[in-house]
Amino acid sequence: EPEVTQTPSHQVTQMGQEVILRCVPISNHLYFYWYRQILGQKVEFLVSFYNNEISEKSEIFDDQFSVERPDGSNFTLKIRSTKLEDSAMYFCASGDIMNTEAFFGQGTRLTVV
Amino acid sequence: DAKTTQPPSMDCAEGRAANLPCNHSTISGNEYVYWYRQIHSQGPQYIIHGLKNNETNEMASLIITEDRKSSTLILPHATLRDTAVYYCIVSMDSNYQLIWGAGTKLIIKP
Repeated sequence: EPEVTQTPSHQVTQMGQEVILRCVPISNHLYFYWYRQILGQKVEFLVSFYNNEISEKSEIFDDQFSVERPDGSNFTLKIRSTKLEDSAMYFCASGDIMNTEAFFGQGTRLTVV
Repeated sequence: DAKTTQPPSMDCAEGRAANLPCNHSTISGNEYVYWYRQIHSQGPQYIIHGLKNNETNEMASLIITEDRKSSTLILPHATLRDTAVYYCIVSMDSNYQLIWGAGTKLIIKP
């Protein structure tokens, strides 16, 4: 069964460093998303991406965040200068057409120290 | 904010049907009801969705009231592996941002 894969599964970084979280969506999907979940809290939408551009973004997705689909298969989330409060699970998801489910990866646990 | 209200937790005996309620009284005509679950901080897993009619798949059934203001997710024969947080979400489609509430923590007991 096709799945969304995320790497790394766990990343530890120092405050102020840049991190890139990687995702390989399901191959024929057109819609891509990043969500995050701070430990013990709700899942929060960050950004959606369609046709090589951002289609929606939340207030959380400020200038320190960026997304890219560099080579037609990977989908990345970059955090330029990490803060302690960026520590969370980051989930990538993808979907094919409207009105169907989103498939989620297993997440990357980001720990900022 | 999430447009749904769910009980924070529920228990169910293994082998019995688990019925998870959800209120969405402000749902609009073009919004679907989606159900996802999250097993112990893993990535959320899609279960089922519907617009007006009741839906059934290999995992669950979704019963939507005629006025669409509430719904019930039914896991027909719950197993220990169904212990998870279950989220009811209303959205125009899954390719619109999903707004997550706190969900219902379902515990299946032997």
